[in-house]
Amino acid sequence: GAVVSQHPSRVICKSGTSVKIECRSLDFQATTMFWYRQFPKKSLMLMATSNEGSKATYEQGVEKDKFLINHASLTLSTLTVTSAHPEDSSFYICSARDQTQYFGPGTRLLVL
Amino acid sequence: DAKTTQPPSMDCAEGRAANLPCNHSTISGNEYVYWYRQIHSQGPQYIIHGLKNNETNEMASLIITEDRKSSTLILPHATLRDTAVYYCIVRVAGNTGKLIFGQGTTLQVKP
Repeated sequence: GAVVSQHPSRVICKSGTSVKIECRSLDFQATTMFWYRQFPKKSLMLMATSNEGSKATYEQGVEKDKFLINHASLTLSTLTVTSAHPEDSSFYICSARDQTQYFGPGTRLLVL
Repeated sequence: DAKTTQPPSMDCAEGRAANLPCNHSTISGNEYVYWYRQIHSQGPQYIIHGLKNNETNEMASLIITEDRKSSTLILPHATLRDTAVYYCIVRVAGNTGKLIFGQGTTLQVKP
């Protein structure tokens, strides 16, 4: 299947700082990418749909000013967690759609 | 997108077939059934999908009932590495559908 990468795989930051997570489709172009968040022992929760060249579509309850999404090219989407707080600590997973939807390995964020 | 119902957990002996059921009684005619699995601390892995015909690939088989209200994912010879959470998701084909994850089934393969 198609390969999706994420960087970094894990990040630790101080409260109040911003963190950027990159999602890349390595062997296909994706006009649509998705960002999910997963808390321990919980299922994945869709945060937003990222569309190349246009604004992201956020799910209900997700703050668009806190979770900034940029999809500037057909192979790259970024999620920036602004002014991170300890409650933002989570496992962030992106996915990209080719014929099917493929997922990245995830980024574990710990906010101290 | 239609909702799905899966048992929260299942056990399977190593080397035996693992049959994971999924109910999707409100599925619409244009919705596909997708299966993904998530091994601990990794991103979900695509397994298989189908519309109404049974499907088979190198990982698994997908059996969809004639009325499409339920399906079964079959791992023919489970190994310890198949221990994971398995998600059954129904989604409209094309660019408009989103994958919405339920709670899935935790499959424990035991030696």
